[in-house]
Amino acid sequence: SSELTQDPAVSVALGQTVRITCQGDSLRSYYAGWYQQKPGQAPVVVIDGKNSRPSGIPDRFSGSSSRNTASLTITGAQAEDEADYYCNSRDSSGKHLVFGGGTKLTVL
Amino acid sequence: QVRLVQSGAEVKKPGASVKVSCKVSGYTLSKLFMHWVRQAPGKGLEWMGGFDPEDGETVYTQKFQGRVTTTADTSTDTAYMELSSLSSEDTAVYYCATLAGVGATYFDSWGQGTLVTVSS
Repeated sequence: SSELTQDPAVSVALGQTVRITCQGDSLRSYYAGWYQQKPGQAPVVVIDGKNSRPSGIPDRFSGSSSRNTASLTITGAQAEDEADYYCNSRDSSGKHLVFGGGTKLTVL
Repeated sequence: QVRLVQSGAEVKKPGASVKVSCKVSGYTLSKLFMHWVRQAPGKGLEWMGGFDPEDGETVYTQKFQGRVTTTADTSTDTAYMELSSLSSEDTAVYYCATLAGVGATYFDSWGQGTLVTVSS
């Protein structure tokens, strides 16, 4: 079982806003990173460990955190945003890395 | 720009070992903090282990302790992950990925993945 919990699936209408969440006790101490993974491809980081967007990531992606929850928000979702999204951070010990179970985003 | 290029797909029999390579270009392996992540078919990402720059040690998740070994050849800028005593449950895509920095929580570069199939 993962120490980071994500909803398995979320859907959003084209052009609307969607928030994908990641919960875990370790998030009270550590930032989360967020990755987008499309079928057959390697994950791509869309939000880094300080809630910032790496170069080349559209500004419709944003990250935030509060208490034990990290959130990835897509403002104005596009068809190409349909993918699996994973959060990751450190575990409660701080020594190990851990991933959330992933959220499958469907853009309607 | 760091680029990670992994070795090709492997098919192994149960009980065998597999060694996956990850060639670094655009940077120097000795300055990177290499980790390994796997993904079983239709499943999520699973961290296996990697180099922790905060204490200078390689750490593995307990699930793979005793079965996984990661090494680095700095002369060729190539990292390796060897997994032994394979079973069908080890069938997965294996990724190398670099930890973004000391104290970082995320991976900023990823290899393209190596499919390892374990089948009799």
